[in-house]
Amino acid sequence: NAGVTQTPKFRILKIGQSMTLQCAQDMNHNYMYWYRQDPGMGLKLIYYSVGAGITDKGEVPNGYNVSRSTTEDFPLRLELAAPSQTSVYFCASSYLLGAEAFFGQGTRLTVV
Amino acid sequence: AQSVTQLGSHVSVSEGALVLLRCNYSSSVPPYLFWYVQYPNQGLQLLLKYTSAATLVKGINGFEAEFKKSETSFHLTKPSAHMSDAAEYFCAVSPSPFTGGGNKLTFGTGTQLKVEL
Repeated sequence: NAGVTQTPKFRILKIGQSMTLQCAQDMNHNYMYWYRQDPGMGLKLIYYSVGAGITDKGEVPNGYNVSRSTTEDFPLRLELAAPSQTSVYFCASSYLLGAEAFFGQGTRLTVV
Repeated sequence: AQSVTQLGSHVSVSEGALVLLRCNYSSSVPPYLFWYVQYPNQGLQLLLKYTSAATLVKGINGFEAEFKKSETSFHLTKPSAHMSDAAEYFCAVSPSPFTGGGNKLTFGTGTQLKVEL
């Protein structure tokens, strides 16, 4: 049972480049989330989705975009990467908004 | 609005000693509360959750937590620490989904647990 799958696991980007972080879940959860984790800061919500075609901003959305064309997939797009986006990114899903969330293994992104 | 405060970013205990990780929350509506554990280079794994049933909640790996409304606390305990418990622990809060709060999980800043021989 895969749960929440994130790709890639690691990536190095140059300033100004773009990339998409992939996230897929096989639990048929309507709710999906993107968080970033920085040392000593906990997890900050970037974007979330309550179902296919519906997304909303979280606490730190600047510099990111998302889309949700299917229940399973929730990619996160970084446009014009900046050093401040160096972080570990986690995708999560839940069956109810605010209920227990299931996390992927994370993507460690470095922008140089 | 909701928030979580975890007291102590680093906690060190001896193997076999009591583990106590502190979490205080703030929520304007009845909350759901969670403890997650993160091992190095891994995602977060749910340890236990409080969802307005029993105030003493038992989780995996011998951990438990008690919801105390009067103290707005949800501290995590384990009677006897094991080396394998060394990890980072996160407390999180959300409004109960059935209160119509419609909000998301809010995480604390984490507590790194070190277990020494």
